[in-house]
This record gives sequence, structure tokens and C-alpha cells, in this order.
Amino acid sequence: GIQVEQSPPDLILQEGANSTLRCNFSDSVNNLQWFHQNPWGQLINLFYIPSGTKQNGRLSATTVATERYSLLYISSSQTTDSGVYFCAVPYNNNDMRFGAGTRLTVKP
Amino acid sequence: GAVVSQHPSWVICKSGTSVKIECRSLDFQATTMFWYRQFPKQSLMLMATSNEGSKATYEQGVEKDKFLINHASLTLSTLTVTSAHPEDSSFYICSARASGLSTDTQYFGPGTRLTVL
Repeated sequence: GIQVEQSPPDLILQEGANSTLRCNFSDSVNNLQWFHQNPWGQLINLFYIPSGTKQNGRLSATTVATERYSLLYISSSQTTDSGVYFCAVPYNNNDMRFGAGTRLTVKP
Repeated sequence: GAVVSQHPSWVICKSGTSVKIECRSLDFQATTMFWYRQFPKQSLMLMATSNEGSKATYEQGVEKDKFLINHASLTLSTLTVTSAHPEDSSFYICSARASGLSTDTQYFGPGTRLTVL
């Protein structure tokens, strides 16, 4: 089955810093989603981005489908950005296969 | 739009009892719902796929007689953990795929934290 790898596994930032999270996947996909899981466990859809670039406020994402990776950019990070960021791709054309996640801690 | 709710948000039960978790799509119809389990500091792992009006499809290693899934309507799926044991303690998350949309976007519920004593 498809493999999804995320890096780095852990990231500690000072408030105001920028960061880039990476998601590599082992096979062609027609969908990729980025999620933020807050400290209470809620998964929040950030981006549906099978290809190209999207921006939403301080966050943006780019997927290069031909090279099988996606990047999530966080600019001017805030303490509320802390949590775990997951990327996920379709598996068996049905459910989503999640990466292991990047645990982000933003310090004030 | 596209809100998924779960109930309860947390539950503590004694070993040997059964616990039912509900997953509802509030403002859309979902022919397919998914149940995931997440252990502390780990990723989400799919347990089963729930299709309205038919039997659920379980992932390898997930006991179908222990984790009973019912998807009786286009807006409700339930997961019942039967004869729960401490090793079943986990964070259970459901998701729903909206019917009729061209994308494969899934919407996730807020999760249910189960603690079995």
C-alpha cells in the first residue's frame, strides 16, 4: 500500500518564526489533505490540495504531484499553531492513509 | 457546512462493559463513514469503513465481533466497543465523506476519548 512519510517528526519554534513541513508519498494520488490536530484532539481540515498551491492566511500548501511530495508553510507562527500536523492521501480509493505527523510546539 | 459530531466526547467505563459511540453528519448526507483509532502520540489508524445499509468492512487485525458498527441512516453511524478492556482505551475518531461531491474530502468528528478501568 501507499506509504506516507512526514518530516520533521518534531519541531519547536519561537513565536513569530516561519516553518516548512514536508509530506512524501510513495505513489500517485488524486487527493491530499493537510490537517491540524489541536491539543483537544479535533482534526481541522487545512487544505485539500491534490496539486498546485493554496494559501489561507498565514498558512499555505504546495503539492508537486509528479514528484510525490507536499509542503505546508506556516509563517509568523503563533502559540495557537501548536499541535500535530498530519497529511493524508486516499487509500484503496476509499479511506485516508495518514502520515505519522509533525508535532509542532510554538513557544511564546 | 460539513460538520460531523460525535457523542459522547469522553467516556470512562469499567472493564467488561460495552460502550456505544455515535457519529453524525449534521448538514450533509454521508453514504460512507470511517472509524479511526488513535493511541497517544501516534497517528490515526483506520479500523473500519461503514457503508449505509450494508455491513462494515474491517481492517486486518480489527475484531468485528468486538467493534460493532452500524450505519443505519445517511447521517448516523455507531461504533459499539463490546466487553471493553483497558487495552481498548484510546481516542476514537469518525469521519464522513459527503455524498455527491466531486472531491474526496473527508470531514472528521471531534473524537471520543475512551478510558476503560
